[in-house]
Amino acid sequence: DIVLTQSPGTLSLSPGERATLSCRASQSVSSSYLAWYQQKVGQAPRLLIYGASSRATGIPDRFSGSESGTDFTLTISRLEPEDFAVYYCQQYGSSPITFGQGTRLEIK
Amino acid sequence: EVQLVQSGSAVKKPGESLKISCKGSGYSFTSYWIAWVRQMPGKGLEWMGIIYPGDSDTRYSPSFQGQVTISADKSSSTAYLQWSSLKASDTAMYYCARSAYSSWYSGYWGQGTLVSVSS
Repeated sequence: DIVLTQSPGTLSLSPGERATLSCRASQSVSSSYLAWYQQKVGQAPRLLIYGASSRATGIPDRFSGSESGTDFTLTISRLEPEDFAVYYCQQYGSSPITFGQGTRLEIK
Repeated sequence: EVQLVQSGSAVKKPGESLKISCKGSGYSFTSYWIAWVRQMPGKGLEWMGIIYPGDSDTRYSPSFQGQVTISADKSSSTAYLQWSSLKASDTAMYYCARSAYSSWYSGYWGQGTLVSVSS
């Protein structure tokens, strides 16, 4: 199984700041099949990014994804109040699909 | 509009059986994989397995293989997750999620079904 390790576990920032979330895979992720999801309390996850860097429909352009080998990054350029949530990465290139353990983005 | 509507919360005792559902609408139900994802209280997301309703091809995470059964009914556009004998450790929120057309990331999610198992 591909293990995804997210860091940091918790990120404390202020609105307007830039957020950088990391996801490291234990082995190569086939065809850049890496997605990012946002989950707010009491809600289902929402797809942000797929294919490592493609934004899902309706996702603001302040969200961007990138990859370098087995390291993947989600960047939020300027944090809005509604961006404070938990973020998960997911690899879907090989079965079983796996998720990272999540990064909590909290207001400083 | 694509929608996944899940069945309501369930409160069960250990050893009981349970089948929860996820009804798809607004798209061709047989053409997209549907996954089930567990989220235990205060914890992260865990992928349980996935089914292709068109031919019932099903894949399970090794962690859940033999513990649950995933199925789908094309006639009612409904996917199911079932347990034959629940444990307290099955207490969690369960989400169904529809894949993209040719990839397994999930662009559409159900609202979740809360399953509570307690004696």
